[in-house]
Amino acid sequence: AQSVTQPDIHITVSEGASLELRCNYSYGATPYLFWYVQSPGQGLQLLLKYFSGDTLVQGIKGFEAEFKRSQSSFNLRKPSVHWSDAAEYFCAVGARGSQGNLIFGKGTKLSVKP
Amino acid sequence: GAGVSQSPRYKVAKRGQDVALRCDPISGHVSLFWYQQALGQGPEFLTYFQNEAQLDKSGLPSDRFFAERPEGSVSTLKIQRTQQEDSAVYLCASSLIRGEETQYFGPGTRLLVL
Repeated sequence: AQSVTQPDIHITVSEGASLELRCNYSYGATPYLFWYVQSPGQGLQLLLKYFSGDTLVQGIKGFEAEFKRSQSSFNLRKPSVHWSDAAEYFCAVGARGSQGNLIFGKGTKLSVKP
Repeated sequence: GAGVSQSPRYKVAKRGQDVALRCDPISGHVSLFWYQQALGQGPEFLTYFQNEAQLDKSGLPSDRFFAERPEGSVSTLKIQRTQQEDSAVYLCASSLIRGEETQYFGPGTRLLVL
């Protein structure tokens, strides 16, 4: 079955520290992958996406993610976290050639300590 | 430019009441998706439209859920005889054409069924 796993429900980091949020997927076809961020009461904002090509993708707000096919992973990283990064982060996967509906992980809530 | 908008933002319904949730996608976007996000969970796919055609409704949880997009732009998700388990945030997303394109999400409608 197709699935996305975000192993960490809640992560707390200090402001200025580095961040890595994990995402693993199980998908029969070659996937394309997204990271979205959701602030309280808000919709989902796209951080970055991977379709093909360079496996290290850059996104907005200083985020990056690396697609590792051998590990079925697409981890999100940021070298220095800001207090405004506190939010919930969702990894999502879609199938190439499909109509486009996405499968989401359950999300990782990020808290930032001053 | 304008993003995806949804209304109402909040809806409180008594069990058994019918509700209608509206989505205005980005102008010119062909594809429209509805997702349901339960508390503490990631969004789950409900249904997909390409223009006015509903091509996939496999995610609709019961026949009480009905969606339409009669003119290929605005969409309405209707829930008949609401139940407590219908309480969730309903997210609408649109993409330019289909498939492997970025989906842009609205702020969602938070439905609470009492």
